[in-house]
Amino acid sequence: GAGVSQTPSNKVTEKGKYVELRCDPISGHTALYWYRQSLGQGPEFLIYFQGTGAADDSGLPNDRFFAVRPEGSVSTLKIQRTERGDSAVYLCASSRSAGTSYADTQYFGPGTRLTVL
Amino acid sequence: AQSVTQLDSQVPVFEEAPVELRCNYSSSVSVYLFWYVQYPNQGLQLLLKYLSGSTLVESINGFEAEFNKSQTSFHLRKPSVHISDTAEYFCAVTPLDDKIIFGKGTRLHILP
Repeated sequence: GAGVSQTPSNKVTEKGKYVELRCDPISGHTALYWYRQSLGQGPEFLIYFQGTGAADDSGLPNDRFFAVRPEGSVSTLKIQRTERGDSAVYLCASSRSAGTSYADTQYFGPGTRLTVL
Repeated sequence: AQSVTQLDSQVPVFEEAPVELRCNYSSSVSVYLFWYVQYPNQGLQLLLKYLSGSTLVESINGFEAEFNKSQTSFHLRKPSVHISDTAEYFCAVTPLDDKIIFGKGTRLHILP
């Protein structure tokens, strides 16, 4: 079956612009996660959805970052007034979990490489 | 707070030689432990995980990791590596029902 997909695969934008990154999880997965991976680092947790609601958004770095999942499937990560420091690979993952366990296997997408000039 | 330390950023090893990728974690509560692998030009994949029970866990491609609570370690080992094992390996930990925290990763280079 299809895995987690993310679009676009690459995004180049200018400082101060607004960007949207999309994630299509595996069908039927209720949990969806966003991570950010900077060069030479491991993935850093941003936000976790259980269904339509954000169950944990403690990893969002500031109020320029926002994510939605209006119908409990596709999610969009939105970044306002982008800064050069936002340049990274943004990863999305999904899992079957109907509860709150982060231990359920997370399946990762290929990521979106965001470059802010 | 929890943290994960992968002591080696890169590990070169000859093909068919054994390898150990080291991972230590810090946590004041019980945790689940994971190893993820990222092959060139591919997304992250779960390699193996420890939730409870036997402290030795194995993957389908010959890797194993042992949870050592007293040493707070979860080192990854393989007795004989292949070219196809070339990848970046990430150790990760999650306190029960909390977000996953990843280490910085270890690049495994297989030398012919």
